[in-house]
Amino acid sequence: NAGVTQTPKFQVLKTGQSMTLQCAQDMNHEYMSWYRQDPGMGLRLIHYSVGAGITDQGEVPNGYNVSRSTTEDFPLRLLSAAPSQTSVYFCAARDFSGNTIYFGEGSWLTVV
Amino acid sequence: GDSVTQMEGPVTLSEEAFLTINCTYTATGYPSLFWYVQYPGEGLQLLLKATKADDKGSNKGFEATYRKETTSFHLEKGSVQVSDSAVYFCALGTDYGKLTFGQGTILTVHP
Repeated sequence: NAGVTQTPKFQVLKTGQSMTLQCAQDMNHEYMSWYRQDPGMGLRLIHYSVGAGITDQGEVPNGYNVSRSTTEDFPLRLLSAAPSQTSVYFCAARDFSGNTIYFGEGSWLTVV
Repeated sequence: GDSVTQMEGPVTLSEEAFLTINCTYTATGYPSLFWYVQYPGEGLQLLLKATKADDKGSNKGFEATYRKETTSFHLEKGSVQVSDSAVYFCALGTDYGKLTFGQGTILTVHP
């Protein structure tokens, strides 16, 4: 089983560029979320979704956009990248009845 | 709002030493509690979890007990190995699969 798959694993962007981090899961889980990890701050929730067509903001949503057109996919868009968005990004998925949250392997993003 | 506080790190131990990493939380309702581990250059792996008060989670020699009265979920291991060197995150889970993480504790184990 693939679980949660994130692409790309590494990316360098210039300030002002846009890009999309892809997240796909093959477990048919309803709940998906995006986190960013910064040194000394743990992981912080950016956006989350409780199902196709439904998204909501987390703790640090500014500068990011999401959509959930299918159960499987939950892409994270950076519309105009800033150096403050240099971070490691993790996508996660969980089914509504379970307690286990599955993480992708992470995407390392550098904005110069 | 919900929050998780982990003991300040980094923590440096010799092999076979006893490990404790403190974790306390603030939450409304009855969250689930988790410990995640991150090895260098890798993603997050679930180490153990507890879903209700007095539950004990355990895995790979690590243990943590969900203490509602002290709002704590301290991680312990009786004898650490070099291979346990990693960053450890305490987290609480609420509705819709959302997690609130502590800041992480870096553990280094020397031979």
